[in-house]
Amino acid sequence: QKEVEQNSGPLSVPEGAIASLNCTYSDRGSQSFFWYRQYSGKSPELIMSIYSNGDKEDGRFTAQLNKASQYVSLLIRDSQPSDSATYLCAVKRRGGSYIPTFGRGTSLIVHP
Amino acid sequence: SAVISQKPSRDICQRGTSLTIQCQVDSQVTMMFWYRQQPGQSLTLIATANQGSEATYESGFVIDKFPISRPNLTFSTLTVSNMSPEDSSIYLCSVASDRGITDTQYFGPGTRLTVL
Repeated sequence: QKEVEQNSGPLSVPEGAIASLNCTYSDRGSQSFFWYRQYSGKSPELIMSIYSNGDKEDGRFTAQLNKASQYVSLLIRDSQPSDSATYLCAVKRRGGSYIPTFGRGTSLIVHP
Repeated sequence: SAVISQKPSRDICQRGTSLTIQCQVDSQVTMMFWYRQQPGQSLTLIATANQGSEATYESGFVIDKFPISRPNLTFSTLTVSNMSPEDSSIYLCSVASDRGITDTQYFGPGTRLTVL
């Protein structure tokens, strides 16, 4: 069983719609959660981090964390073609390695 | 966040040769890492670069193949030795200001390596 799982996609949404990206993790000791965006041929860039249950909003992005159900999601409102990229979920656990575990990423395509 | 630069940005190398990739950060950071990302794949951690001591390698990666240096808190190098076409990949330097649970990792722009 993979520690951090993401649907590889591609997830295709029309411009202006809400894109919902999901990530599940297996380690109940996980404490910190990160979303990265990676454009083709570029390196990952941090979008958001979340540490507590609930929602965290930053502009068009909302991260949602549910530790009981062991999932974290990223919502992108008013999706734009420029949001087309691969989104990586990363998870850190408390008390263990300080290195996050990355999921394989979900490819998002926003079509005009 | 720290500004990270890598050199070279890309290279094409012959089988059997070696390439050294440099990573420079504009501020002191506690943690520096080297990742590999093959086409269409996710990130694979090669090693943690430790200042003043040997790097900590992940399973499947060895020092003879991927020697790493970290002379100070802002600079590290990764050498890909005796290259084969299977080493063709993007190599990414990553840093974190500290090793805390909330400390975020940031990535450099990457080095795209093609081995012929």
